[in-house]
Amino acid sequence: DQQVKQNSPSLSVQEGRISILNCDYTNSMFDYFLWYKKYPAEGPTFLISISSIKDKNEDGRFTVFLNKSAKHLSLHIVPSQPGDSAVYFCAASRVDDKIIFGKGTRLHILP
Amino acid sequence: ETGVTQTPRHLVMGMTNKKSLKCEQHLGHNAMYWYKQSAKKPLELMFVYSLEERVENNSVPSRFSPECPNSSHLFLHLHTLQPEDSALYLCASSQEGSAGMKGKLFFGSGTQLSVL
Repeated sequence: DQQVKQNSPSLSVQEGRISILNCDYTNSMFDYFLWYKKYPAEGPTFLISISSIKDKNEDGRFTVFLNKSAKHLSLHIVPSQPGDSAVYFCAASRVDDKIIFGKGTRLHILP
Repeated sequence: ETGVTQTPRHLVMGMTNKKSLKCEQHLGHNAMYWYKQSAKKPLELMFVYSLEERVENNSVPSRFSPECPNSSHLFLHLHTLQPEDSALYLCASSQEGSAGMKGKLFFGSGTQLSVL
């Protein structure tokens, strides 16, 4: 049973446009949500997070939106840059601190 | 060195071999993790050590044996692995109990393991 789902394995976006990566979850016990970014041959790196008591968190070009009623979160990157090409993992943290990851979405930024 | 360092970066082993993966963190964190990343699957948590005590063993086969001698070092001992164990093995650390750090894992670059 996948508690964190990223249904799009890949996404291609033109440079300068907005990239929107989506994530759905099933467990209402999650209290914290995170996005990680992974380049080839490197480990994932933390990108941005949001607490379940908020619906938006912004950090520079990156914004995460949380819709608790729909159990859905999204990561917006604007404007998209070539260095944003990577695999993005959605993750959710339970109150016991266990972190559950999605399968990841590979983002390609096109020139 | 800073961050989380894993060695070796690549490992090829036969099913009868015994090998060990090593992880070292230089961040002063109090928790360390082993994750497995297989193709087209989510990152799977294998083991968690908090303050050098194992707090989670996620139904991992006994052919994987973790060891955490201190808060900075973590090992994963491998023996009689199967070809389906071929994957990227990632080590991570975190600072548990810090509200501002919840869920924030710091990963190493991983060991790409191939079992022949």
